[in-house]
Amino acid sequence: GAVVSQHPSRVICKSGTSVKIECRSLDFQATTMFWYRQFPKQSLMLMATSNEGSKATYEQGVEKDKFLINHASLTLSTLTVTSAHPEDSSFYICSARVAGEGTQYFGPGTRLLVL
Amino acid sequence: GEDVEQSLFLSVREGDSSVINCTYTDSSSTYLYWYKQEPGAGLQLLTYIFSNMDMKQDQRLTVLLNKKDKHLSLRIADTQTGDSAIYFCAESIRDDYKLSFGAGTTVTVRA
Repeated sequence: GAVVSQHPSRVICKSGTSVKIECRSLDFQATTMFWYRQFPKQSLMLMATSNEGSKATYEQGVEKDKFLINHASLTLSTLTVTSAHPEDSSFYICSARVAGEGTQYFGPGTRLLVL
Repeated sequence: GEDVEQSLFLSVREGDSSVINCTYTDSSSTYLYWYKQEPGAGLQLLTYIFSNMDMKQDQRLTVLLNKKDKHLSLRIADTQTGDSAIYFCAESIRDDYKLSFGAGTTVTVRA
């Protein structure tokens, strides 16, 4: 149980385009999902907290207009990187919290490369 | 995360025990977690401990928590080559369930 998927697993795009990443909880309902960014050889940096049916809460320094988050249902959250630039290239990981529990289960990550 | 600290590297011989250490600063931590990350993959939850516990054992894994010293450790018994990975310690301190991660300890298992 507690499986989280992400799609796509890797994406290459041109500078200036937008990329959407999906995060799904496959066998449980997730009232809260989290989006992280990880640079090579570094720890995870929390970007935003996504709550079903409400606006996402962004961490300090994260541009909400650049990283659009939509949590349309209890099993799906999407992160859209708008007008992507090479510096947005990174490993993006989502996690989902089981309703009523504190534990977060992580997706396999999405490798984004912006050319 | 600046509130959670880990040593960066650990090298261990196959079959020996590995001990990964972590210190945290917030005494109001509620849960403390250990996650494993293999190259190019997401994080796998290994185990967690509630802050009012001292120890938790799960097969080859033993977690020890010293709340007084704010010190958490993960012991892996009979370390195997498949245990080579980065191990992250994380704490959850608030009702918003946000996690604060350490920098990760890269464990290398040598034959």
